[in-house]
Amino acid sequence: DAKTTQPPSMDCAEGRAANLPCNHSTISGNEYVYWYRQIHSQGPQYIIHGLKNNETNEMASLIITEDRKSSTLILPHATLRDTAVYYCIVRVANQAGTALIFGKGTTLSVSS
Amino acid sequence: ETGVTQSPTHLIKTRGQQVTLRCSSQSGHNTVSWYQQALGQGPQFIFQYYREEENGRGNFPPRFSGLQFPNYSSELNVNALELDDSALYLCASSFGTGGRHTEAFFGQGTRLTVV
Repeated sequence: DAKTTQPPSMDCAEGRAANLPCNHSTISGNEYVYWYRQIHSQGPQYIIHGLKNNETNEMASLIITEDRKSSTLILPHATLRDTAVYYCIVRVANQAGTALIFGKGTTLSVSS
Repeated sequence: ETGVTQSPTHLIKTRGQQVTLRCSSQSGHNTVSWYQQALGQGPQFIFQYYREEENGRGNFPPRFSGLQFPNYSSELNVNALELDDSALYLCASSFGTGGRHTEAFFGQGTRLTVV
């Protein structure tokens, strides 16, 4: 079973920041938080991952709380193309044989 | 584009038949994982191959089997197809060394319909 809890759906206006929350209260000390997204009928796309420090790349920012029990993925200026299902996943960092355990994710709808 | 390619993109098979799906990993990657995604659900892990050996498996029956070749491409074989095997099958590749792996990059998937 997935070790994360996400809201089933969220809406965001185009051009505004989209903040997607994720709860992972049972995360272990050696588990990273990964975010993937899946646009309809395509393969999941890697977005970002982190351990305890906040991370930023060209796609998004990841904010992890100090106790590591929750995190927020931030898309700073959402566009219509960001409409997708967003998955928050926790897993042991890059361990051989460790699967990505997907939950149902959050369906983000960006509208103009 | 991730550089992970899957073939075919769509496939229709009859119940009881066998099917082979193929995946070419991203250049430089030596690990391939396979996932099954039913309609409306998140992907479910089937198994992973690292340097031609299976090194992790999800809760799937033995009729789901795989291979990884010396060039690190991979096949997923499903025998005795059932209607519930209808799904999007996803392949993901990563690079592993010394027990550590990079993040996984997914292909576009093969849509299998069993009738």
